[in-house]
Amino acid sequence: QQQVKQSPQSLIVQKGGISIINCAYENTAFDYFPWYQQFPGKGPALLIAIRPDVSEKKEGRFTISFNKSAKQFSLHIMDSQPGDSATYFCAAGLSGGYQKVTFGTGTKLQVIP
Amino acid sequence: NAGVMQNPRHLVRRRGQEARLRCSPMKGHSHVYWYRQLPEEGLKFMVYLQKENIIDESGMPKERFSAEFPKEGPSILRIQQVVRGDSAAYFCASSPQGGLDTEAFFGQGTRLTVV
Repeated sequence: QQQVKQSPQSLIVQKGGISIINCAYENTAFDYFPWYQQFPGKGPALLIAIRPDVSEKKEGRFTISFNKSAKQFSLHIMDSQPGDSATYFCAAGLSGGYQKVTFGTGTKLQVIP
Repeated sequence: NAGVMQNPRHLVRRRGQEARLRCSPMKGHSHVYWYRQLPEEGLKFMVYLQKENIIDESGMPKERFSAEFPKEGPSILRIQQVVRGDSAAYFCASSPQGGLDTEAFFGQGTRLTVV
């Protein structure tokens, strides 16, 4: 019930291409869906987050799409750059609660020139 | 304003020893969260603390693990009698308030290796 499934495990994209990472959750009580970016040797950093009252949120080159009925959400990175190479984690939490989120297993993105 | 500071960055312990991991939250932050990251896995919530109080320790193993966040000083995650399975990266995060409307900032983590 608490799982968040993430795919793919790894992804290689050409510079300028679109990177797409998908996540699915089971607990319908989740109502807060953040994405984190983690560089090697660093802690995760919040990238962008969405709540289920909207189906899409865009910040710069990063877009979250949310499908409440399918219990799925995805991250799109447009015009991917080598500097985007990192591990990306989706997560889910309860907005009425505190910073206790359930993380996906991560996607290692490599953007090649 | 310095970020969340964790030390040590790397810690090697022999089986049966104790490990103490420290986390100094950002200035003005009174909420601390500890997460554990096993190799090739996502982070898993361990414990949520406010100053001098444990709010939620539902992710902490029942034995050998304890956490505190005293009135003065850093938050401490303590692992007694470490075993090989405790080898992981331990991250703490801090926030000024407890809700999800305020961002929690993560430290760089402590990588514990049990030999």
